Amino acid sequence: RKEVEQDPGPFNVPEGATVAFNCTYSNSASQSFFWYRQDCRKEPKLLMSVYSSGNEDGRFTAQLNRASQYISLLIRDSKLSDSATYLCVAKGSTGANNLFFGTGTRLTVIP
Amino acid sequence: GAGVSQSPSNKVTEKGKDVELRCDPISGHTALYWYRQRLGQGLEFLIYFQGNSAPDKSGLPSDRFSAERTGESVSTLTIQRTQQEDSAVYLCASSPNKETQYFGPGTRLLVL
Repeated sequence: RKEVEQDPGPFNVPEGATVAFNCTYSNSASQSFFWYRQDCRKEPKLLMSVYSSGNEDGRFTAQLNRASQYISLLIRDSKLSDSATYLCVAKGSTGANNLFFGTGTRLTVIP
Repeated sequence: GAGVSQSPSNKVTEKGKDVELRCDPISGHTALYWYRQRLGQGLEFLIYFQGNSAPDKSGLPSDRFSAERTGESVSTLTIQRTQQEDSAVYLCASSPNKETQYFGPGTRLLVL
């Protein structure tokens, strides 16, 4: 089983729509979680960290459900510029060195 | 400020040749990671460096892969006797805290 699993999509949504992505992680000892964004043929860039209490950054809201071991990302009022692949990332237990990346969910916002 | 840089940006090589990929991390970042991303796939962890500690090589797919880093500076990833399945984008990332990672633009390797 993969460490982090995501629905690959694609999600095609109209401008202004609200879209949500979920991902699940297998290691219950994972401590830190992130969403990264990757544009086509570009490197991943950190979008936001995911905190237990949930966190919001403008149109983006991230949630963590430790009991069910899933992480969500909600994008409100989608813009054309939000079109990208969104990578769910989990860091292992304390002291772990590497991050585990999901394969990503592809979002296309349509005019 | 300057981000992570990688060179070359693209590399085409023949099967069986050795290649060396370079990563210049952000100054002051103690952690450095190498990942591989095959076309349409997720990121695959290869190796991790933290300061002068022994590197975590647990992600290297075979003994044809090796990497070095001197202190907290440049790192090189070497692939010996390249195979066609080595074709991928090789991404380097540096981090000040082992969590937030800053990626370089990657090296696109094509093995013919």
